[in-house]
Amino acid sequence: GAVVSQHPSWVICKSGTSVKIECRSLDFQATTMFWYRQFPKQSLMLMATSNEGSKATYEQGVEKDKFLINHASLTLSTLTVTSAHPEDSSFYICSAPRGGVGWDEQFFGPGTRLTVL
Amino acid sequence: AQTVTQSQPEMSVQEAETVTLSCTYDTSENNYYLFWYKQPPSRQMILVIRQEAYKQQNATENRFSVNFQKAAKSFSLKISDSQLGDTAMYFCAFNMGGSNYKLTFGKGTLLTVNP
Repeated sequence: GAVVSQHPSWVICKSGTSVKIECRSLDFQATTMFWYRQFPKQSLMLMATSNEGSKATYEQGVEKDKFLINHASLTLSTLTVTSAHPEDSSFYICSAPRGGVGWDEQFFGPGTRLTVL
Repeated sequence: AQTVTQSQPEMSVQEAETVTLSCTYDTSENNYYLFWYKQPPSRQMILVIRQEAYKQQNATENRFSVNFQKAAKSFSLKISDSQLGDTAMYFCAFNMGGSNYKLTFGKGTLLTVNP
């Protein structure tokens, strides 16, 4: 199946610093990518939809200025957590659908564990 | 807005036995798509099975099958001959299709397969 990678797989940072997480589709082009946040033993919460060549669409309650998303190419989307605080510590997952049909399988990255000290 | 409900936070089953995970959803749409995803301890999300709402035939994938009841808005997952590797969180998910790839997930069911 198709592969989506994330980098880094885990990161520890100090409070107040910014952290960038990359999501890449390795063998297909993705005009749309999704970013999720997952707390322990909970479901995936959609944060935003990343659109190549245009602004991201954020879900209600997600701070746009805190979670910056850039979809620089058809294979790369980045999520930058700005001025990170301990409450931003979480597991971040990206996904990308392949193909032009709405139900095409979405491929998920392996996730990035962020710990803010 | 669409909602997905999984009423079983945790379940357990003995190896080689059969288990059914429940999922109900709410939508006013007529055409949509339903999915079961598996998240093992590695936390990598894996598609288990999917169903198109306009298809009456229930989807099957090897040991995994669904019972799709459109009128009841129910979409349960049956795992036959359970294996230790089936231990994982299982999420039911919904999307409206077309150009809208956005998935709505249920809260998940933690399935433990015991030896």
